[in-house]
Amino acid sequence: AQKVTQAQTEISVVEKEDVTLDCVYETRDTTYYLFWYKQPPSGELVFLIRRNSFDEQNEISGRYSWNFQKSTSSFNFTITASQVVDSAVYFCALSEAGAAGNKLTFGGGTRVLVKP
Amino acid sequence: EAEVAQSPRYKITEKSQAVAFWCDPISGHATLYWYRQILGQGPELLVQFQDESVVDDSQLPKDRFSAERLKGVDSTLKIQPAELGDSAMYLCASSSWTGGRNTEAFFGQGTRLTVV
Repeated sequence: AQKVTQAQTEISVVEKEDVTLDCVYETRDTTYYLFWYKQPPSGELVFLIRRNSFDEQNEISGRYSWNFQKSTSSFNFTITASQVVDSAVYFCALSEAGAAGNKLTFGGGTRVLVKP
Repeated sequence: EAEVAQSPRYKITEKSQAVAFWCDPISGHATLYWYRQILGQGPELLVQFQDESVVDDSQLPKDRFSAERLKGVDSTLKIQPAELGDSAMYLCASSSWTGGRNTEAFFGQGTRLTVV
């Protein structure tokens, strides 16, 4: 069975501080995908990144960066120089890699509050 | 920009009544998902369709929930009778098969159900 754990339920920072969100996963699959989604107060889940289990390169996109470490089954997400607009709930998710579609197993989410 | 459409956005219903939610996925997306998100938790898959066929409904409470996607396009999720514990956000998502792999799932804004 697949499982995703986000140990931090809520993080509060002051604008311009960096914030790192932890994600630990469990799976028996050798090939899988990892995701991060953002859920603002409006409710929709906004896709941020997908990472294939074979690709352990870290990725940076603007103020966002991701650290994938297969050895520790972790896929952490860092927001650099946080802004008030980054306030949201962030979900880490896992899916198997196959033709059957991306059935996602989500973590419990981490609420990020960025104060001005 | 293409998006997943859901209606209604909000629904209040009395216990034991029937309620239905509608989803129109992004055009051309063969895979459609219904997720349920209880307040403060991550979304959990209820049912997954590939075109008009159900691929996974293992977590769908079939005694009261039903889902259909008759023409392989839009979909309806029904609850009858509704129970207090069904109060949650119901999210629809869709994805496509492109370039030999599934794309990430794109989510709608959800229907927030309150059962009183």
